[in-house]
Amino acid sequence: AQRVTQPEKLLSVFKGAPVELKCNYSYSGSPELFWYVQYSRQRLQLLLRHISRESIKGFTADLNKGETSFHLKKPFAQEEDSAMYYCALSGQAGTALIFGKGTTLSVSS
Amino acid sequence: NAGVTQTPKFQVLKTGQSMTLQCAQDMNHNSMYWYRQDPGMGLRLIYYSASEGTTDKGEVPNGYNVSRLNKREFSLRLESAAPSQTSVYFCASSLGQGPYNEQFFGPGTRLTVL
Repeated sequence: AQRVTQPEKLLSVFKGAPVELKCNYSYSGSPELFWYVQYSRQRLQLLLRHISRESIKGFTADLNKGETSFHLKKPFAQEEDSAMYYCALSGQAGTALIFGKGTTLSVSS
Repeated sequence: NAGVTQTPKFQVLKTGQSMTLQCAQDMNHNSMYWYRQDPGMGLRLIYYSASEGTTDKGEVPNGYNVSRLNKREFSLRLESAAPSQTSVYFCASSLGQGPYNEQFFGPGTRLTVL
């Protein structure tokens, strides 16, 4: 079965500290992985996707097929990074996204 | 462009009442989706429409019906609301399906069922 697991409900860090939001997935084929973000009082929006190999707002994510993980990382957290982050999976068949339960990132000064 | 719009923004229902949540997009997208967001549960797919004229069940379809009225509009209907349907409902759309198709989300509808 397709599944996305985000083991942390809440991650609290200080400004300038490194951040790693964990995401593990279960999928029998070759999935595509995404990170979506929801800032306070804003809409859910795409942060980055594996297939684009991009870095957005200093965040990167590497797909590790051996560990079935797609962790989101940023070397130096900023207060404006505080938000809810969702990891999501899309199967090659083009079905709708499967979302994890989300991790709230809180960055304090 | 307004993107994805949803009405209403807030709604309070009594158990057993019915209502329809409206969603429209102006991006000429083919695919549309309905999710519910609950604390600790993340986003769960209720129904989706891969293209005009088609609808498919998602993870949690029970108690809901959908209508893809045309390419722009995708409505979600609760025939007999239950307290378990208290949630925030999000509509989304994408040009197609697959890894290159970003989903764009609406602002959400906060529904309370008493």
